[in-house]
Amino acid sequence: EVQLVESGGGLVQPGGSLKLSCAASGFSFSVSAIHWVRQASGKGLEWIGRIRDKANNYATIYAASVKGRFTISRDDSKNTAYLQMNSLKIEDTAVYYCSRHDYGDYWGQGTLVTVSP
Amino acid sequence: DIQLTQSPSFLSASIGDRVTITCRASQGINSFLAWYQQKPGKGPKLLIYDASTLQSGVPSRFSGSRSGTEFTLTISSLQPEDFATYYCQQLNSYPFTFGPGTKVEIK
Repeated sequence: EVQLVESGGGLVQPGGSLKLSCAASGFSFSVSAIHWVRQASGKGLEWIGRIRDKANNYATIYAASVKGRFTISRDDSKNTAYLQMNSLKIEDTAVYYCSRHDYGDYWGQGTLVTVSP
Repeated sequence: DIQLTQSPSFLSASIGDRVTITCRASQGINSFLAWYQQKPGKGPKLLIYDASTLQSGVPSRFSGSRSGTEFTLTISSLQPEDFATYYCQQLNSYPFTFGPGTKVEIK
């Protein structure tokens, strides 16, 4: 069974950092692109970035709203992708999801990040 | 960035109704469009990709079509489990933007 499980969310002050994890199982993680998408409470979905596989040089790309502050990485030996979030702003408060492939055929349940003084 | 608009933003319908949701792209995106269903507290579920290809396991009452930069999701006969919010997403160019969503509620 394909599963993606996000973790690492929590409460952080503005300007702080947080690192989210996306643990994958049930598929060939090492050859899969992983995307991160967030959703503020009661709002729509916002794509924030993607990491490709080793064959594509682990290429990353980000939305303008997070570029320079967020970094996506992966550890294929642990079947896990990461979202390092620095210089967090109040407007980064959201549920963060990871998904598999460009067409997100599988998604995690999300992890809540709250940025508040 | 490519902008997607969805209409309507809210839809009230009855069981058995035929429902149509439209997504318009601000520029050409070929057929690189997906439709997702999201229920409260859950991650999105892929319904349609490449504008009209039904994702494996998704009921055949869901269908998608394209006319230029206008895309349509149709539910042929609304079922109780279909009450949710629906999003389109373009994958033609980065950033992979989403539409604002259409909430389908019970009349």
